[in-house]
Amino acid sequence: KQEVTQIPAALSVPEGENLVLNCSFTDSAIYNLQWFRQDPGKGLTSLLLIQSSQREQTSGRLNASLDKSSGRSTLYIAASQPGDSATYLCAAHTGGGNKLTFGTGTQLKVEL
Amino acid sequence: NAGVMQNPRHLVRRRGQEARLRCSPMKGHSHVYWYRQLPEEGLKFMVYLQKENIIDESGMPKERFSAEFPKEGPSILRIQQVVRGDSAAYFCASSPFSLAGTYEQYFGPGTRLTVT
Repeated sequence: KQEVTQIPAALSVPEGENLVLNCSFTDSAIYNLQWFRQDPGKGLTSLLLIQSSQREQTSGRLNASLDKSSGRSTLYIAASQPGDSATYLCAAHTGGGNKLTFGTGTQLKVEL
Repeated sequence: NAGVMQNPRHLVRRRGQEARLRCSPMKGHSHVYWYRQLPEEGLKFMVYLQKENIIDESGMPKERFSAEFPKEGPSILRIQQVVRGDSAAYFCASSPFSLAGTYEQYFGPGTRLTVT
């Protein structure tokens, strides 16, 4: 059974700082890994999807890496801004039923 | 291209009533997924459907919950005889068919169900 864990659970940083969010998964037989952000009371916005054959994906100030052998993914946010404040979720896509197994989330606060 | 649409956004039901949650996938998407987010808990998979077929319902509670995705119209998640423990945010996601097997999922804004 796939289990996904995210560390840290919460993070507070000053504006402009570079930061790394961590995600680990127990079953390395994943199809892909997807990173989302969730704003309070809102839905999920897809940020990046890394296929199992890829090592990383980049979008603007975001860079996500994937190491299947060690069961880890990281989301790097460069030059953080207050608008980046949200909960960040990683989700592993395990084969068969196409379902996503979500991590517990990292609640990020970027302060002025 | 409109995103995934869910309605209603907020739903209040008394214990014992039925709740019907609707989801219209993105245009061109043939796969629909339902997830539930209980208060202070993470998102949990409930069911995966394609048109007129339930592919994986391993996350659905055995009783009172059902889902469908008819040939025409939105996907429906139906909860009969709701109890307070059903209070949660219910999210729908959709994905297109993918030869590469990526099945990137796009989420709707969710329906927040409150059972009084």
